[in-house]
Amino acid sequence: GAVVSQHPSWVICKSGTSVKIECRSLDFQATTMFWYRQFPKQSLMLMATSNEGSKATYEQGVEKDKFLINHASLTLSTLTVTSAHPEDSSFYICSAARGQETEAFFGQGTRLTVV
Amino acid sequence: GQNIDQPTEMTATEGAIVQINCTYQTSGFNGLFWYQQHAGEAPTFLSYNVLDGLEEKGRFSSFLSRSKGYSYLLLKELQMKDSASYLCAVKDSNYQLIWGAGTKLIIKP
Repeated sequence: GAVVSQHPSWVICKSGTSVKIECRSLDFQATTMFWYRQFPKQSLMLMATSNEGSKATYEQGVEKDKFLINHASLTLSTLTVTSAHPEDSSFYICSAARGQETEAFFGQGTRLTVV
Repeated sequence: GQNIDQPTEMTATEGAIVQINCTYQTSGFNGLFWYQQHAGEAPTFLSYNVLDGLEEKGRFSSFLSRSKGYSYLLLKELQMKDSASYLCAVKDSNYQLIWGAGTKLIIKP
């Protein structure tokens, strides 16, 4: 299968600061990348879908100014959590797909703790 | 609305067989996926069904009936490492993945 690398795997930050999470497809070109958030014992919640070279499409209820997504190339997408607050603490997971009809491969996830 | 249902939790014995069901109601259908997720880790892809029938891959098999909006994941010769959550997801007419809440599978010795 294809490899998606997500970095960092965990991060602790102070309230009010910003955190950037990177998602890279290592051996394929990802036309579409997805960002998810998962709270303990809950399923994946899609935050946004990004296509290379265009603006991300955010799900209802997700603040686009707080969760900045950049998909500048076919192998890299970044999620920046701006002005983080403790309630933003969660497990953030990216996934990437070659195309619409193919399966998505997941990064390792990033555990964010805001103190 | 779009909806995917799967049991919240199941328990099985090491060496046995378990079937995890998934029913879906979505606007359109472009494939059904099963993923495995261990606690604290990201999901890993298990199987993909787009046509009716059974897809077998080693100890894991996945079945799809589009007319019934139904799928199951069959796990044989259960091992302790199979303890995980199993997520069912469907791609709708817009190729958007709709996720089920996941089934937590507990394997007992």
